[in-house]
Amino acid sequence: DVKVTQSSRYLVKRTGEKVFLECVQDMDHENMFWYRQDPGLGLRLIYFSYDVKMKEKGDIPEGYSVSREKKERFSLILESASTNQTSMYLCASSAGGLNTEAFFGQGTRLTVV
Amino acid sequence: RKEVEQDPGPFNVPEGATVAFNCTYSNSASQSFFWYRQDCRKEPKLLMSVYSSGNEDGRFTAQLNRASQYISLLIRDSKLSDSATYLCVVFGNKLIFGAGTRLAVHP
Repeated sequence: DVKVTQSSRYLVKRTGEKVFLECVQDMDHENMFWYRQDPGLGLRLIYFSYDVKMKEKGDIPEGYSVSREKKERFSLILESASTNQTSMYLCASSAGGLNTEAFFGQGTRLTVV
Repeated sequence: RKEVEQDPGPFNVPEGATVAFNCTYSNSASQSFFWYRQDCRKEPKLLMSVYSSGNEDGRFTAQLNRASQYISLLIRDSKLSDSATYLCVVFGNKLIFGAGTRLAVHP
């Protein structure tokens, strides 16, 4: 069974803090993605990566950065957390190629106060 | 304009009904298409891929119309357990999700 694990289910952080969200997958997948999900807006792509040390901006990268030093791990970094980054964050991975299934982690609900 | 658009619903249908969802996408270079299902407070999971020739999986039928850039999902003989949010997903150079269509099946 493919497993995508996010380090925390719930996080509460203060405005201005630097926040790290970690995601690890155990299926040697090339592709990894970070989304945020908000009511009425669905899943919006923040960043994605097709290979180690490679990253591409998604649709809403502002205020975020990512790191992929190892194939299995894709980290999302909030450089200076703000209240409008309160959201559900979902990590996904998929094998290389076009028609491959994406597997999701259980999500991290981040609240910035 | 959003890259992937769906009617948010909710669609409220009785058990046994047939219900159809549509989704449109803007990037004509998109190459792969999927329907995902998301239950309340859970992560999305793949329901089915969508192929150009159309494909069926039990009560579920997916269709792709490349000329009009839309994808459809038909659910026949709806069950209570089909209640969920259905997400249209398009892969061009990145994996883009629609906002989802909520389905509620009632007895």
